[in-house]
Amino acid sequence: GDSVTQTEGLVTLTEGLPVMLNCTYQTIYSNAFLFWYVHYLNESPWLLLRSSTDNKRTEHQGFHATLHKSSSSFHLQKSSAQLSDSALYYCALSVTSGGNYKPTFGKGTSLVVHP
Amino acid sequence: GPKVLQIPSHQIIDMGQMVTLNCDPVSNHLYFYWYKQILGQQMEFLVNFYNGKVMEKSKLFKDQFSVERPDGSYFTLKIQPTALEDSAVYFCASRWDCQNTLYFGAGTRLSVL
Repeated sequence: GDSVTQTEGLVTLTEGLPVMLNCTYQTIYSNAFLFWYVHYLNESPWLLLRSSTDNKRTEHQGFHATLHKSSSSFHLQKSSAQLSDSALYYCALSVTSGGNYKPTFGKGTSLVVHP
Repeated sequence: GPKVLQIPSHQIIDMGQMVTLNCDPVSNHLYFYWYKQILGQQMEFLVNFYNGKVMEKSKLFKDQFSVERPDGSYFTLKIQPTALEDSAVYFCASRWDCQNTLYFGAGTRLSVL
């Protein structure tokens, strides 16, 4: 079945340094949508970025990611981390199979930014 | 932005009891989901629901689980009877037709003692 791998469970950074959170995926379908959701403590997870276009950079709120179908990757990056970026980040994959749509989530990466 | 509300935020019950988790999805959304997250693990798909019917359920959706949305009210997840391994955070999500973004609630933390 479909799967999403986030290799880092925890990333700790000093404010101002660049952020890169890894995400790779596996699916037999070519119509994959990739997402990054962000989850702040005691709040609802919400969509940060999404893409289905190969090799096209997508950006939102200072974060960016590029879907590379050749390597099945959708890494999340930011040039300069801020304290407010501390949260749990989920990479997710969706494909439409037989008219159904059920996103598959990675284990999540907890990002901690300190002064 | 659109909000999904989950009630209650935390529920503590004794093993063997019944529990109902309530979700108030975004008003014009048509598809509804439940995900289960055990502490320290990933969110895992339980079930999705459309037009009054279960579309797909995972192997985690045991026979003791059921979902419904009577008359457009809350989308509910019922567990009867509960087991210790049902302790987790349950996230509800909804989406509009022809849109692939899920809108999540803040989760209900279920503690089965």
